[in-house]
Amino acid sequence: GQQVMQIPQYQHVQEGEDFTTYCNSSTTLSNIQWYKQRPGGHPVFLIQLVKSGEVKKQKRLTFQFGEAKKNSSLHITATQTTDVGTYFCAGDSGTYKYIFGTGTRLKVLA
Amino acid sequence: DADVTQTPRNRITKTGKRIMLECSQTKGHDRMYWYRQDPGLGLRLIYYSFDVKDINKGEISDGYSVSRQAQAKFSLSLESAIPNQTALYFCATSERGRGYGYTFGSGTRLTVV
Repeated sequence: GQQVMQIPQYQHVQEGEDFTTYCNSSTTLSNIQWYKQRPGGHPVFLIQLVKSGEVKKQKRLTFQFGEAKKNSSLHITATQTTDVGTYFCAGDSGTYKYIFGTGTRLKVLA
Repeated sequence: DADVTQTPRNRITKTGKRIMLECSQTKGHDRMYWYRQDPGLGLRLIYYSFDVKDINKGEISDGYSVSRQAQAKFSLSLESAIPNQTALYFCATSERGRGYGYTFGSGTRLTVV
């Protein structure tokens, strides 16, 4: 079945440094979503990417969807302590249900 | 009030017991989902329902069952709980059609001893 992997599993950065998490699917995706889960909280929807090669920005966050629609990345510029949490990608291969990646836990050291 | 409400928030139960986790939503969404979260494994889909008469198994449905009592209610049951079902369980909803993000409940932390 479809699998979605994320790397790295953990990342510690100094406040102000950049951060990137990568998402790779075993199958071609029709679209991909990104979520953020704060410690002790629930996942919150951030964004969806649909088109091959699509790039979207939300303030300091940049999301990319690969040309082959099998991978995606989330890049945070100049991290802040408010960025702490686990970031998940979730891919839909056309079945209208999303398979979540394993997540990347981000810690930001002040 | 929360858009997606899960009860209970925390539960400790014994091996072999039947337990039900409940989810209700005020979003008016047709689609509802149950996921479990384990450290290092992300969120794994247990069951999903695209409307009241539509129930589908997800990645890890063994040992679980669900009931969609109404558009707004979707319950998850563990027929005979076992320790490796100890996890954080999330209910989520979404609108009909591709491309809508999920709205998650606050989760139920279940411990099976």
